[in-house]
Amino acid sequence: KNQVEQSPQSLIILEGKNCTLQCNYTVSPFSNLRWYKQDTGRGPVSLTIMTFSENTKSNGRYTATLDADTKQSSLHITASQLSDSASYICVVSAKTSYDKVIFGPGTSLSVIP
Amino acid sequence: DAGVTQSPTHLIKTRGQQVTLRCSPKSGHDTVSWYQQALGQGPQFIFQYYEEEERQRGNFPDRFSGHQFPNYSSELNVNALLLGDSALYLCASSQQGVGATGELFFGEGSRLTVL
Repeated sequence: KNQVEQSPQSLIILEGKNCTLQCNYTVSPFSNLRWYKQDTGRGPVSLTIMTFSENTKSNGRYTATLDADTKQSSLHITASQLSDSASYICVVSAKTSYDKVIFGPGTSLSVIP
Repeated sequence: DAGVTQSPTHLIKTRGQQVTLRCSPKSGHDTVSWYQQALGQGPQFIFQYYEEEERQRGNFPDRFSGHQFPNYSSELNVNALLLGDSALYLCASSQQGVGATGELFFGEGSRLTVL
């Protein structure tokens, strides 16, 4: 069964600290993996997208890694800011005749001063 | 270049009523997907439209139906509303075809409250 799991479910960190969010998937055949940031009540915004051959990709203070062998991905946030408070969603696509997209449940991050 | 636009942004309905939500995809995109997101949950896939046809469908009842127009815009219709239909409805557009990443671009959503 195609599934995406994320951990932790929620996380509270102090402003300026780093954190790492995890994503495990059992999606096959794998096409790509994306991380989205979703502010409360808003639509998700893409942070990174990685294909099978990519194992790291950065977008400013966000760095995503992908291990296609173990089917794990992480999103590392450095020097967190209050504006990083949001839900972070891992999304994996399966390569079928058309992209089948599976969403993780998200990790809720709160950055406090 | 306008991104994905959705309307209305908020609406309130009562049980048993019907609702229509609208979505205009990002310029150059030909595929529209609809998602339902309950408070504190991840988005749940409703269906996807490509070339004016429903191409994929999630586990939603027939009360949820949709349409895609020749200009690629789309509508989501929900009949016989239930309290449990209260959610943020997200529209995402993407581009199919060789070389396309299929990356999803989301609108800001339509917040539906059923009383």
